[in-house]
Amino acid sequence: AQSVTQPDIHITVSEGASLELRCNYSYGATPYLFWYVQSPGQGLQLLLKYFSGYTLVQGIKGFEAEFKRSQSSFNLRKPSVHWSDAAEYFCAVGWGHGSSNTGKLIFGQGTTLQVKP
Amino acid sequence: EPEVTQTPSHQVTQMGQEVILRCVPISNHLYFYWYRQILGQKVEFLVSFYNNEISEKSEIFDDQFSVERPDGSNFTLKIRSTKLEDSAMYFCASSEWGPQHFGDGTRLSIL
Repeated sequence: AQSVTQPDIHITVSEGASLELRCNYSYGATPYLFWYVQSPGQGLQLLLKYFSGYTLVQGIKGFEAEFKRSQSSFNLRKPSVHWSDAAEYFCAVGWGHGSSNTGKLIFGQGTTLQVKP
Repeated sequence: EPEVTQTPSHQVTQMGQEVILRCVPISNHLYFYWYRQILGQKVEFLVSFYNNEISEKSEIFDDQFSVERPDGSNFTLKIRSTKLEDSAMYFCASSEWGPQHFGDGTRLSIL
């Protein structure tokens, strides 16, 4: 069955430090890959997406993620974390046809990021 | 930037009552979705909708649930007879062909 795993439920980093949030998926083919961020009381905001092509993708707010097919991973990174990055982060995978991702998304459990001053 | 809008932001309902959650997707989007997130758990897919019909639904989406696009702008989720376990945050999403864009959610509390 398709699944998404985010091994870290909670991560604390100091402001200015680098960040890496892990995501692994289980699926036979290459899915479409997403990272979303959720601030308290807010909806899910798309940070970045991978559909095909170059495996290092850039997103909003200075985030990037790298797709590694051999490891079935799509880890999210940021070189220098800001206090406003404190939120919950969700990795998600989706499927579709060709260049269209119109199917459902399957989400990981989420990682809560706390930023220390 | 266009947004997905959900109303109400919080709905409190007695068990056994019907509830309708409303969503206004982004105007040029063709694919619509409902997800839910029970407190402390994963975001779970409920149903997808395209061309005025359900394209996929999960095991959660049983006969108590229905979706409708009553006009050109709204997309609704109805729960006919609510149960305590329906308490959750419900998210609407829409897409044109690529990434899904989510609303801020409706928190449904069943008493």
